[in-house]
Amino acid sequence: DSGVTQTPKHLITATGQRVTLRCSPRSGDLSVYWYQQSLDQGLQFLIQYYNGEERAKGNILERFSAQQFPDLHSELNLSSLELGDSALYFCASTSGPSGNEQFFGPGTRLTVL
Amino acid sequence: GENVEQHPSTLSVQEGDSAVIKCTYSDSASNYFPWYKQELGKRPQLIIDIRSNVGEKKDQRIAVTLNKTAKHFSLHITETQPEDSAVYFCAASLGYNNNDMRFGAGTRLTVKP
Repeated sequence: DSGVTQTPKHLITATGQRVTLRCSPRSGDLSVYWYQQSLDQGLQFLIQYYNGEERAKGNILERFSAQQFPDLHSELNLSSLELGDSALYFCASTSGPSGNEQFFGPGTRLTVL
Repeated sequence: GENVEQHPSTLSVQEGDSAVIKCTYSDSASNYFPWYKQELGKRPQLIIDIRSNVGEKKDQRIAVTLNKTAKHFSLHITETQPEDSAVYFCAASLGYNNNDMRFGAGTRLTVKP
C-alpha cells in the first residue's frame, strides 16, 4: 500500500457524460500527478499540482480539468466523455516540487460505453 | 518537452538469464531517471532510480546505468525469476522540480520457467 488513495475503483458511464475522479496523496505529500493509461499503453502524464497550484501540464485534453484543494486532495474532472477516454487513471504523489519517487495510487478504471 | 523512447516493447527470457531494457531521452537537462515495475492490474512501483551525477547504481539483481553524453540509460536484471514478469517503465524528469515526468512506452518482460 503506497498511502495514496483513489476513488472510485471502477466507473462505468456513457458517452457525453461527466465524471470526477478523486485522489488523496500520502500524508505530507504536497504534489499530485495525474496519469492516463489506456489498454496496453504507457503512462501519459496529464497534469501536476503542487500545494494547490497547477505546476505542469502534459497531454491533457481541454475536456479534462483538475484541481487540488486546501486539504491537498485532488480531483480530475472528465467531461463530454468519449469511448476513447476509457482507461486506467492513476494519481501519484511526492513530497514536494523536488520530490523524487512518485507513489502511485491503485487507479480508477473508467469505462465509457 | 522531454521525450523518452524505450526498447524493446516486449522481451522474453528464460529463467536465470539476464534482461536488458534501454531508454533514450531528449532533454539534456533531465537529471532524474526512475524505473517502475507494473504487474498486471496493479499500480506502478519504483524499483530503482538514478541521478545524473551517478553512472551506475545496483540493488541486488537490478542495476541501472546512465550515459549522459549519449542520453540513454538502461535497466539490467540478472538471474531473472518468473516473478520478474511485468511491464517495466523508464522515465526522465528535470529532477529538481520533478514536475514533468515523462515515461517510456513500457517493456513487457516475460520470464519463462
